[in-house]
Order: sequence, then structure tokens, then C-alpha cells
Amino acid sequence: DAGVTQSPTHLIKTRGQQVTLRCSPKSGHDTVSWYQQALGQGPQFIFQYYEEEERQRGNFPDRFSGHQFPNYSSELNVNALLLGDSALYLCASSLFLSGLESSGANVLTFGAGSRLTVL
Amino acid sequence: GQNIDQPTEMTATEGAIVQINCTYQTSGFNGLFWYQQHAGEAPTFLSYNVLDGLEEKGRFSSFLSRSKGYSYLLLKELQMKDSASYLCAVRPYSSASKIIFGSGTRLSIRP
Repeated sequence: DAGVTQSPTHLIKTRGQQVTLRCSPKSGHDTVSWYQQALGQGPQFIFQYYEEEERQRGNFPDRFSGHQFPNYSSELNVNALLLGDSALYLCASSLFLSGLESSGANVLTFGAGSRLTVL
Repeated sequence: GQNIDQPTEMTATEGAIVQINCTYQTSGFNGLFWYQQHAGEAPTFLSYNVLDGLEEKGRFSSFLSRSKGYSYLLLKELQMKDSASYLCAVRPYSSASKIIFGSGTRLSIRP
């Protein structure tokens, strides 16, 4: 059973360029969340997709956008890249919980990440 | 909003016990996670606490006090492979599918 897969694993871009990162969730999961992790920091929530819609968003500018496809896979797009966008971008999949359900941990399963370097 | 605090770095000796603390301030709270992350790798799930008390899982245990906004991860019989970052994370009451992470504690194990 494949876990979460991300591509590419590493990439280098220059300021002002655009980048697209891809994620395939774990089998059976329907929700994809994207996180940005700067060196030495914890993952920061970017946004979450369920049923092909952005359900929640963290404190990131509109340059960060995403998409979810009918097969639950997802893309993260970043436009007008800045040096500060250099980070590890993590995709995590889970089951969607609406409302106040708290049964079980609904654990996030992470991919290995895409390391983006902006020069 | 949520604010999560944990020590930046800790060092411990192989075979010993270490406790990593985490305090949080949140307007609503629906469970606390601990994740382990080795350098250059994805975070992996260690534990989840929703009720007060201690959850034990092999060499790792996690404790939660909701009234004090406090949790700790206890690692026993430390091994060199336990050298990693340990991330404390909370699930907001308002959003069961979203997890907010702290900055992580980088644990180094010395022989």
C-alpha cells in the first residue's frame, strides 16, 4: 500500500518564476493538506483540499494556490517566487472530519516532501 | 488562535530517559499530537492525546493536561536512532481535519 507520494523531490527556481508541486494521497484518504517547513521550523499550514475545494487556508498570500483532482491527488502552485519561499513543502493526507468529530486520531500521513530552493 | 511552545534543542545520553515539554494556548482544542521527524524526512506519527492522562506506547509515552495547556513526550531507553526533531501539534476545536504544529524540539543523543 503506497503512502503519500510527492514530486518532484528537489527543484531549483529563480525569483519571479512559478512552481507546481504534486501530491498523491495515501490510498483511502480523501483530504490533502499542504504545509511549508522552513529550515529548523515546524510545518506551517498552507491550505487543505477536500472534494476538490479549498476548505481551509492558513496565513499565506494569494500567490499560493492549489487544486484537487477527482482522484484526490493535489497540486500546489506558487507564483512570483520569492527567496523566502525556499522551504520543504510537505503534503499530508487524511480522512475529512466535519464538525466536532474527534473519534480516533485521524492521523495525518505525510509525504517525503518537495524541497524548493529559490535563487 | 493557537500558540505552541516547546524547547528548541535538547541533548540526552543513550540508554537514559528524556522528557520533552510542550505548552499551548488555544481558543479551542480537540486533541494533541506528537510527531517525530528525522532530518530530511517526513514527520511520522507518534501519539495522540485527547483526554487527560498518560498514553504509553512501548518506549514512548505522552501526557496531557488540558486544564494546564501542557503536554510532554517521554522517551525511555534512548537509542541513537531517537536523534530527531519532535513536533508537538494541536487540532483546533473548530477544525478537526487541520493540525497546527509547534517549531519542534531537536533531540541529540550522545553515546
